[in-house]
Amino acid sequence: AQSVTQPDIHITVSEGASLELRCNYSYGATPYLFWYVQSPGQGLQLLLKYFSGDTLVQGIKGFEAEFKRSQSSFNLRKPSVHWSDAAEYFCAVMLGGGADGLTFGKGTHLIIQP
Amino acid sequence: NAGVTQTPKFRILKIGQSMTLQCTQDMNHNYMYWYRQDPGMGLKLIYYSVGAGITDKGEVPNGYNVSRSTTEDFPLRLELAAPSQTSVYFCASSYSREAGEQFFGPGTRLTVL
Repeated sequence: AQSVTQPDIHITVSEGASLELRCNYSYGATPYLFWYVQSPGQGLQLLLKYFSGDTLVQGIKGFEAEFKRSQSSFNLRKPSVHWSDAAEYFCAVMLGGGADGLTFGKGTHLIIQP
Repeated sequence: NAGVTQTPKFRILKIGQSMTLQCTQDMNHNYMYWYRQDPGMGLKLIYYSVGAGITDKGEVPNGYNVSRSTTEDFPLRLELAAPSQTSVYFCASSYSREAGEQFFGPGTRLTVL
């Protein structure tokens, strides 16, 4: 079965510093890949997605992610974080051609230090 | 455009009670989904629907039922509520499988005591 691993449960970053959140997936084929953000008490909002093509994808709020097939990874990055980026971040995958929803990682809680 | 709306926002149930979580979307999306989110865990798929009259089980369907009589509505029914169903429930919709992006509602926080 496909699975998604986010190895970091919590990450603390100083405001203005760069950020990288890790995501690895386990599946034979390349799935569709997503990053979602969840602010406290809110639903999930899509940051970016990768289906095919250019392996570096740009998203909203200054985020980007790079797909590396050889490492089965889809890491999320931001060059300079803001206090408003404090939230829970979820990596998710969906099988191409399947309608059976998203498989999510357990999430990474991002804390921003002033 | 309201997007995906869910009611109620919060609910406390006693063991053995039943209830329906409502989900409505006004984006004319064919695909709709129910997820549950437990602390420290990602979201897990309960049921999904690819159109009116068509539903299918996800990863954790036991204890739940769904129906899809219209494109807009996708209610989730809990029969005989159990403490293990204490969770936050999210409804989501998407235009198509290929579009990929799912739009999420704000969630329903359910506690079963």
